[in-house]
Amino acid sequence: QKEVEQDPGPLSVPEGAIVSLNCTYSNSAFQYFMWYRQYSRKGPELLMYTYSSGNKEDGRFTAQVDKSSKYISLFIRDSQPSDSATYLCATLEYGNKLVFGAGTILRVKS
Amino acid sequence: DSGVTQTPKHLITATGQRVTLRCSPRSGDLSVYWYQQSLDQGLQFLIQYYNGEERAKGNILERFSAQQFPDLHSELNLSSLELGDSALYFCASSVGSGDSPLHFGNGTRLTVT
Repeated sequence: QKEVEQDPGPLSVPEGAIVSLNCTYSNSAFQYFMWYRQYSRKGPELLMYTYSSGNKEDGRFTAQVDKSSKYISLFIRDSQPSDSATYLCATLEYGNKLVFGAGTILRVKS
Repeated sequence: DSGVTQTPKHLITATGQRVTLRCSPRSGDLSVYWYQQSLDQGLQFLIQYYNGEERAKGNILERFSAQQFPDLHSELNLSSLELGDSALYFCASSVGSGDSPLHFGNGTRLTVT
């Protein structure tokens, strides 16, 4: 079993839709949670960083963490074609290495 | 722009050769990480340095080595290259070690022919 499971997609949605991206993790010691966006041929770009259960909002993006069920989500409101990218979830145990999900390919159609 | 600089952007070399990839971390960041990304493997952690010292090791081959210099820039050396080493190599940096988010450069695309 992988430490972080993420559906690779691709996920295709129309412009303006609400997008839900999800990951599950197995290690209850993970304390920090991140979402990265990666455009083709570019490095992953940090979108959200949180270390507690609950919601964190930044513009059109909301990260949600449920430690009891080991489930993390990223919601994108009013999705735009420019949001088309690969979204990677990542988790971190203090003092340990960052573990990435496989990434979900998102396509927003105009 | 993440502030992490990687050079070169592209590298094409032959099997059996040796190459060096260079990374300059964000100003103020003490940790440098190296990741390999290939189509079928996703992002694989190779190695981490913190303030010049090796801090963590991942799935790094013995043919690969890295170091972090006093000015905090880092180099990843890949030797006896094989076709399977063709991949994107990313450097990332963070302020601390173990609880800070990572910021990635745009990578070096290595093609081994």
